[in-house]
Amino acid sequence: QSALTQPASVSGSPGQSITISCTGTSNDIGIYNLVSWYQQCPGKAPKLIIYEGNTRPSGVSSRFSGSRSGYTASLTISGLQAEDEANYYCCSYAGSDTWIFGGGTKLTVL
Amino acid sequence: QVQLVQSGAEVKKPGASVTLSCKASGYTFTSWYIHWVRQAPGQGPEWMGVLNPTGGATTYSQNFQGRVTMTRDTSTSTVYMEMNSLKVDDTAVYYCVRVGASTGRFDPWGQGTLVTVSS
Repeated sequence: QSALTQPASVSGSPGQSITISCTGTSNDIGIYNLVSWYQQCPGKAPKLIIYEGNTRPSGVSSRFSGSRSGYTASLTISGLQAEDEANYYCCSYAGSDTWIFGGGTKLTVL
Repeated sequence: QVQLVQSGAEVKKPGASVTLSCKASGYTFTSWYIHWVRQAPGQGPEWMGVLNPTGGATTYSQNFQGRVTMTRDTSTSTVYMEMNSLKVDDTAVYYCVRVGASTGRFDPWGQGTLVTVSS
């Protein structure tokens, strides 16, 4: 099964909002609302920032939000800050107890 | 606090096997699934499989079926992942992750174990 499709890179200036898309198929994002998002800084393990589509774990800023429409899930970061610069990955349930990740998006804060 | 502590880095030759460990603490071991995810240099994470600590049932990605075995020791709250017939392309950081059943909440992640496969 191929990875979920994400743009390789996105950028934005401090204070702006950016959106990262994550496109799947009718076998994953299209039928399951079990998309999660992870932030990864260089040399570190991924950190959960959104799960079950649009739920933030405690301690994660409300500037992060998730949504889903059709076969595409999206992560929006509002009020962009320099500390948001990182790689972001989506993940979806794919049925039969299997999961699939996206290829990742590098966010650059200009 | 909830913590997953993984074993140290490994260097293996092609064709060899490797066994990684992941010791859980800070929660009831049998209440949460443990997944294994690997990440090759410069690549996104790749889901490998999941183990249910309660009965030991496993599900593996088709990409690793027949090459990966996940087991657990409930007495020490430790999960093991064995991979055989290693290839150079298996060079990656391997993570264990705690996940609630049917939530997709991959959290927390272990610190990762670098496996280098080189002749």
